[in-house]
Amino acid sequence: SAVISQKPSRDICQRGTSLTIQCQVDSQVTMMFWYRQQPGQSLTLIATANQGSEATYESGFVIDKFPISRPNLTFSTLTVSNMSPEDSSIYLCSVNFGQGARDYGYTFGSGTRLTVV
Amino acid sequence: AQSVTQLDSHVSVSEGTPVLLRCNYSSSYSPSLFWYVQHPNKGLQLLLKYTSAATLVKGINGFEAEFKKSETSFHLTKPSAHMSDAAEYFCVVSNTNAGKSTFGDGTTLTVKP
Repeated sequence: SAVISQKPSRDICQRGTSLTIQCQVDSQVTMMFWYRQQPGQSLTLIATANQGSEATYESGFVIDKFPISRPNLTFSTLTVSNMSPEDSSIYLCSVNFGQGARDYGYTFGSGTRLTVV
Repeated sequence: AQSVTQLDSHVSVSEGTPVLLRCNYSSSYSPSLFWYVQHPNKGLQLLLKYTSAATLVKGINGFEAEFKKSETSFHLTKPSAHMSDAAEYFCVVSNTNAGKSTFGDGTTLTVKP
């Protein structure tokens, strides 16, 4: 399995500002995933980040609000733009080394706990 | 399309008694299924996974789950609960062709002494 380093681990931000979250993986992976976990809720997929192409966003999430970079096969960033208190959540990156029947499961970063005030 | 339903939002058991956390799924493809555990203020940990091999899957900490295609279920069980099992549990379905996964809403397991 992979080791994922995610930072910052937590932050308190003013509304209207932006925060960039970094995710570093110790192995090369094709796809990286960004999730949001709102307080007391389950995880919701924000987008899938492929190296060399634009991220694919899920319904309800847009690039202007959550721009993603994927400059190489081991690194990705998620920016939460023009933040409001409703953006207060835990943000997690994830990778999956599996292919087809060999799905080894997802490894998650430790998460970024964001509070917007 | 894929979805997952965790049938119980909260489950409470006494220490030493069996645990059953229920999960039903739907998927247009042959799915991969997972159970993850999240302890308070901790990250997500993979408990076990089903990826089209044996239908009875054994995981860490004494947990196991059985894939039943006819019932589209993947229930998580443990013969004897321990206090340290108290946590949030997520059932996850993935279509490995697309790579993305869908999480259930989670089940909070409480273990009473």
